[in-house]
Amino acid sequence: ETGVTQTPRHLVMGMTNKKSLKCEQHLGHNAMYWYKQSAKKPLELMFVYNFKEQTENNSVPSRFSPECPNSSHLFLHLHTLQPEDSALYLCASSQDGGTSGSDEQFFGPGTRLTVL
Amino acid sequence: GQNIDQPTEMTATEGAIVQINCTYQTSGFNGLFWYQQHAGEAPTFLSYNVLDGLEEKGRFSSFLSRSKGYSYLLLKELQMKDSASYLCAVMDSNYQLIWGAGTKLIIKP
Repeated sequence: ETGVTQTPRHLVMGMTNKKSLKCEQHLGHNAMYWYKQSAKKPLELMFVYNFKEQTENNSVPSRFSPECPNSSHLFLHLHTLQPEDSALYLCASSQDGGTSGSDEQFFGPGTRLTVL
Repeated sequence: GQNIDQPTEMTATEGAIVQINCTYQTSGFNGLFWYQQHAGEAPTFLSYNVLDGLEEKGRFSSFLSRSKGYSYLLLKELQMKDSASYLCAVMDSNYQLIWGAGTKLIIKP
């Protein structure tokens, strides 16, 4: 238990569906992150929020839409996804939002997404 | 471009010692992290190095050479529960983490 929870743990959706992933952190951190993890590939940073403000958007397609209503909650809204979007989506949080070198990230267990 | 290299897979025997290497080329350096990830679980923090040398934490040690762009994670007295993927990540000059693809470690009895 890392203090970061994600729901759902598994999700199967069709290309025309709309769904949302939810992340919640109980650590009092100021920054939250969405990552995509595909087999045998490095973690891909998708979005970063610092104090509820989006500070990074690494050229992510618009079919992925993040939302951060407060510093404890983060959502990833999904619509008209493609089969190549099937992956493990990880949420993480950290204290300083990447403003210090030792800013350790705490990860949730991830959502395993399958797009049919 | 920025790049982190680590072996894709390694196999070791229970009770033995294994060293997982990581080499990096990044724009700037603000520290190197090692994370452990069991199958189907969250990555969890193992170590952080920002100065050259060896950091020891129980059965796990991590070494850094900034001049060589090189780190290793040393696992001693291997246990079956150490079977996992080990992720190397470097924080660049913008304080963004650059990740390696991970090394899958298989422990055999």
